Amino acid sequence: DSGVTQTPKHLITATGQRVTLRCSPRSGDLSVYWYQQSLDQGLQFLIQYYNGEERAKGNILERFSAQQFPDLHSELNLSSLELGDSALYFCASSARGVQSAEAFFGQGTRLTVV
Amino acid sequence: QQQVKQSPQSLIVQKGGISIINCAYENTAFDYFPWYQQFPGKGPALLIAIRPDVSEKKEGRFTISFNKSAKQFSLHIMDSQPGDSATYFCAARVSDKLIFGTGTRLQVFP
Repeated sequence: DSGVTQTPKHLITATGQRVTLRCSPRSGDLSVYWYQQSLDQGLQFLIQYYNGEERAKGNILERFSAQQFPDLHSELNLSSLELGDSALYFCASSARGVQSAEAFFGQGTRLTVV
Repeated sequence: QQQVKQSPQSLIVQKGGISIINCAYENTAFDYFPWYQQFPGKGPALLIAIRPDVSEKKEGRFTISFNKSAKQFSLHIMDSQPGDSATYFCAARVSDKLIFGTGTRLQVFP
């Protein structure tokens, strides 16, 4: 168990809808990262927050947004969903303020858009 | 320039054999090269990592070989076991960003 908790584990929704994925980082970790993993694809970095502030942005679509709350949990909001958004979404956390190889990953949320 | 190319996409190895996964990069600014292991239904977990000033790092049955001049690095799994069956990702770090390869699905048969 990495100590990073993601909910829900599975999510099925229709095109055009909006969903929110939640991540609770390891105790004490200030950084949260979001990644997207599509079928046969590697891990695509989406966005990073550090202690409530956006720190880095990757290949995140404008339809997607995230935030980190004062209790350090984070939410990834995906709107106007398309079939191509179906993927595994991972959250990772680390104690450092940079995207670190020592980041610990949650078990992911599998999003299916139908 | 910021890509990390990983091969093969899938690998089947008999128990006790050696599994070899290769990665190549172009950006000489990469300064840290970790490997991640991912089991089905789980998130990736850091397995082993190397810095470019080292040519080899070994941890148990897992070894990273690094060739700076060729801009290539590889993961060797000695005495592969069925429990090693997983997807392996190489990655490279630049400007505190991790760039991942596309992954290799390893299956080890008894």
